[in-house]
Amino acid sequence: DVKVTQSSRYLVKRTGEKVFLECVQDMDHENMFWYRQDPGLGLRLIYFSYDVKMKEKGDIPEGYSVSREKKERFSLILESASTNQTSMYLCASSQPWEGEGGNYGYTFGSGTRLTVV
Amino acid sequence: DAKTTQPTSMDCAEGRAANLPCNHSTISGNEYVYWYRQIHSQGPQYIIHGLKNNETNEMASLIITEDRKSSTLILPHATLRDTAVYYCIVRGPISGNTGKLIFGQGTTLQVKP
Repeated sequence: DVKVTQSSRYLVKRTGEKVFLECVQDMDHENMFWYRQDPGLGLRLIYFSYDVKMKEKGDIPEGYSVSREKKERFSLILESASTNQTSMYLCASSQPWEGEGGNYGYTFGSGTRLTVV
Repeated sequence: DAKTTQPTSMDCAEGRAANLPCNHSTISGNEYVYWYRQIHSQGPQYIIHGLKNNETNEMASLIITEDRKSSTLILPHATLRDTAVYYCIVRGPISGNTGKLIFGQGTTLQVKP
């Protein structure tokens, strides 16, 4: 069964800590994404990557960085965690557009619920 | 990407068909309609997608109007486990290479016994 695996389901960190959220996919997908989800705000894109070592900012990149050294792994880094980064973080992967007939949907991980205290 | 409009919430009786509408009046000719659902505290799950024709899989059916300005996701026999937030999303080649999807607020479907 194809999967996107996020390393932690629940995480509690202190303000100011550097936090790493890891995501691994086994589908050989080119594209990977990090979203955060907050009540009333829906899913918001933080960063995405369309190739190894490539990254692009999403809608809310401030306070975050990412790393993609290998195709299957995409890491989200909170340089100095703050309480307003308490959220559910979702990783996803997909294939790039290659013409009609394909399935370019996302496969999501189960999410990491991060609490910053 | 085209924007989508969905009702905020819907109820459905267990065992009955759930019909979830989505309006995407600005959809382009080469944009697909995707449906996802998110059960509480889990990651969104792909359900189905289509371009012009109606589609069916083991989870649901997707009916797209002839002008493609709206679609309906049909869960033929809803169960309590189908209670979730359902997202309708449009995606096409413009966003294709980067694959960025824009999620709206979705429809919260409550299946009741």
